[in-house]
Amino acid sequence: KAGVTQTPRYLIKTRGQQVTLSCSPISGHRSVSWYQQTPGQGLQFLFEYFSETQRNKGNFPGRFSGRQFSNSRSEMNVSTLELGDSALYLCASSLEGPEETQYFGPGTRLLVL
Amino acid sequence: SQKIEQNSEALNIQEGKTATLTCNYTNYSPAYLQWYRQDPGRGPVFLLLIRENEKEKRKERLKVTFDTTLKQSLFHITASQPADSATYLCALVGRDDKIIFGKGTRLHILP
Repeated sequence: KAGVTQTPRYLIKTRGQQVTLSCSPISGHRSVSWYQQTPGQGLQFLFEYFSETQRNKGNFPGRFSGRQFSNSRSEMNVSTLELGDSALYLCASSLEGPEETQYFGPGTRLLVL
Repeated sequence: SQKIEQNSEALNIQEGKTATLTCNYTNYSPAYLQWYRQDPGRGPVFLLLIRENEKEKRKERLKVTFDTTLKQSLFHITASQPADSATYLCALVGRDDKIIFGKGTRLHILP
């Protein structure tokens, strides 16, 4: 079974731009969660999607948004990028939700200049 | 506010000994607690899950304990090997399915 894939793996943007990251979950998994990881704050939960609906949301500003498609693939969008958005963005998939085993992708490393 | 604390400093353990990592939390009543391993440049890998009504869970050389009175989980690796060197993260999952992660503890197993 193929693992969770994320594209792109690396991205450089400038302040004010917007970015879209993509995540393909393991086949059959309906839950996709997104996380931001930085050295200072660690791994922080952004949001979780299940069957195309956002089911949970962390404490991030509205500039961070996401969506899930009918095939469970998910995208995350960050608008009006700030320097502090530089981080590793990870997505994780599971059958039903984060209370179960989550399988993480390799992440997208975003650098905002 | 909810808080999870893991040993912020790196832990150095001699090969063959038992490594014990600590996860403490406050202002939270998790339904589950999970432990993950993360290697540099990679996403976390799930290791073990323990529920609030379970005291202990084992998987091969790994053992997790969960004390909801002390609000603490201990993660043990017995017969440690250099390949066990990594960062270990604990995560709490609430009854609302929201998940919060600790910042992780870097473990070095010295040959």
